[in-house]
Amino acid sequence: AQSVTQPDIHITVSEGASLELRCNYSYGATPYLFWYVQSPGQGLQLLLKYFSGDTLVQGIKGFEAEFKRSQSSFNLRKPSVHWSDAAEYFCAVGDTSGTYKYIFGTGTRLKVLA
Amino acid sequence: DTAVSQTPKYLVTQMGNDKSIKCEQNLGHDTMYWYKQDSKKFLKIMFSYNNKELIINETVPNRFSPKSPDKAHLNLHINSLELGDSAVYFCASSQDQALRETQYFGPGTRLLVL
Repeated sequence: AQSVTQPDIHITVSEGASLELRCNYSYGATPYLFWYVQSPGQGLQLLLKYFSGDTLVQGIKGFEAEFKRSQSSFNLRKPSVHWSDAAEYFCAVGDTSGTYKYIFGTGTRLKVLA
Repeated sequence: DTAVSQTPKYLVTQMGNDKSIKCEQNLGHDTMYWYKQDSKKFLKIMFSYNNKELIINETVPNRFSPKSPDKAHLNLHINSLELGDSAVYFCASSQDQALRETQYFGPGTRLLVL
C-alpha cells in the first residue's frame, strides 16, 4: 500500500530564513504528489502538485517542491519565510491503485519566530 | 463567494444523539468527499461521491451515512454519536475523480461529543 511520511512533526524557523519540509513516499511507479497548507481553524489549500515532467514544481505563495525519485522524496521549500506562513503542512500521495483517494501524511506544524 | 461551504462550523452534542453536517460546493464539480481529521491532525478519507454515486467508502462505522441529493451537495449524517467521533470533518470537491484534479476543501466542522 502507498504511504506518506513526514518525519518532522514541528519545525520552527525565524522570519526571513529558508525552509525545507520533508516528505517521503512509498510507491513503485511515479506517484501523484501534493502539498497542502492548513492555516489555524481553516480548511486545506493546495500549494502545488506533481505528476510528471520537470521535477522542480513551483507553487503559490513562493513555495516550490522537488521530486527526487531516487530518494522517494518530495520536499517543500521556501527561500524566505514570512510570519503568515505559520501553519500545518500536509504532503499527500494519490493512490493510483484504483481507489481514487489521497493518502495524507501526518503533517508538519511550522512556527515562525519574529 | 465561498467555493466549498459547510454547516455548522461547530457542533457540540451529547453521546447517543444523531446529527447532520451539510456541505455545498458552487464550483460545478462532479466529485465530493468527506474527510475526518482527528486530534493529532491525521486526515483520512471517509467517503467520496462522483455524480451522486458513491465511489469511495472507507472502513467507517455504518452509523455514518453520506447522502448526495445532487452534485453540489454532500451531507453527512451520524447516528448514535460516540466520544470517538469528536473530530474535525472536512468536505472537499474536485472537478472529477481523477487524482490529478485539485481537491478544494471547506473550512471544516468541529464536532465535540460529550
